[in-house]
Amino acid sequence: AQRVTQPEKLLSVFKGAPVELKCNYSYSGSPELFWYVQYSRQRLQLLLRHISRESIKGFTADLNKGETSFHLKKPFAQEEDSAMYYCALRNAGGTSYGKLTFGQGTILTVHP
Amino acid sequence: DTAVSQTPKYLVTQMGNDKSIKCEQNLGHDTMYWYKQDSKKFLKIMFSYNNKELIINETVPNRFSPKSPDKAHLNLHINSLELGDSAVYFCASTFAVTGHHGYTFGSGTRLTVV
Repeated sequence: AQRVTQPEKLLSVFKGAPVELKCNYSYSGSPELFWYVQYSRQRLQLLLRHISRESIKGFTADLNKGETSFHLKKPFAQEEDSAMYYCALRNAGGTSYGKLTFGQGTILTVHP
Repeated sequence: DTAVSQTPKYLVTQMGNDKSIKCEQNLGHDTMYWYKQDSKKFLKIMFSYNNKELIINETVPNRFSPKSPDKAHLNLHINSLELGDSAVYFCASTFAVTGHHGYTFGSGTRLTVV
């Protein structure tokens, strides 16, 4: 069964500090991974997807198959980055094709 | 123009009532989902439909019945509401074949059962 683990429920940093939100996954196939962000009481928005190796709002994430990780990083955090961040794994085969499994979420707070 | 829209945004109702939540997407996607976000903010899939066909049903009580009249709509009907059903329900959509590009979520329906 697929599983996504975000070990930190809460993460606090000061503005300008580097930030890393951890994500580990368990999946028997080739993983398709995403980071979603949810600002206070809003919809989930796609932040990053591993297939495109892009940088959005200064965030990057690299898939490390050896460590089964997809950590989200930003070198200089901003106050507007404060939000809930979810790592998600898409099931690309089998009976649950297309299912997104989410981690527990990490609440990032960036202090001024 | 909202890509995935849900109605209502807020729903407060008494235990035992029956209620429905509607979802519509104008992205031309062929696959739609219902997710439940509980009080601890944990997100769990409930159902998935592809071209009006149910493809994922994640051990949800049969008081919950999804209906997809066409591939742009996925509604959720809940019978005999219980306190534990209080949560935020999110609808999402994608293309099945290119889902690796991401899913689009609605703004959620906050259901409170009193």
